[in-house]
Amino acid sequence: DGGITQSPKYLFRKEGQNVTLSCEQNLNHDAMYWYRQDPGQGLRLIYYSQIVNDFQKGDIAEGYSVSREKKESFPLTVTSAQKNPTAFYLCASSIYLGKKGGELFFGEGSRLTVL
Amino acid sequence: AQSVTQLGSHVSVSEGALVLLRCNYSSSVPPYLFWYVQYPNQGLQLLLKYTSAATLVKGINGFEAEFKKSETSFHLTKPSAHMSDAAEYFCAVSSFNAGNMLTFGGGTRLMVKP
Repeated sequence: DGGITQSPKYLFRKEGQNVTLSCEQNLNHDAMYWYRQDPGQGLRLIYYSQIVNDFQKGDIAEGYSVSREKKESFPLTVTSAQKNPTAFYLCASSIYLGKKGGELFFGEGSRLTVL
Repeated sequence: AQSVTQLGSHVSVSEGALVLLRCNYSSSVPPYLFWYVQYPNQGLQLLLKYTSAATLVKGINGFEAEFKKSETSFHLTKPSAHMSDAAEYFCAVSSFNAGNMLTFGGGTRLMVKP
């Protein structure tokens, strides 16, 4: 079955450590996205990518980094510069960026807790 | 600019009662509108979407939503709530002016009482 796989599902980090969240899709979608979800705040866009080797900052990119070396993969690194990294992180994809009425397909999410 | 407002961060209904989750949007051009559902510790799943065809859109699990341009609304309804409907629901909007990127509302948590 086609879909988006995020790993790990749960992750604990000590302050000052970088962590990388994995996102893989086999939907053959061009566009991929990372969102952060905090209680009562909905989804906030961190980064997005419309093609390989290209990505753009979203609304809350500070303290995060991404790469897009393969169409299928869009890993997110939460760096030590992120002041409040404890959150639920969601990866999504769409057929291509800018498709009229195009919906997002989401992974199951990764919950990061900073100890 | 586009935006979405979901009225009521928490809604509680009894099993078998009508479910009504409110969504109002702001967009200077014709919008595309979406409803997603999220179960605890899971990703979002598309319930339904409006893309300028019929104004009454039917989705999965018995949900439907009606696009009302005059009210800039896209409320989600279900005639009879089931315990399994307990989840968080997100309304989202996209439009040409925003590069067809989705903007999400803050979400509404639906609780269903037995």
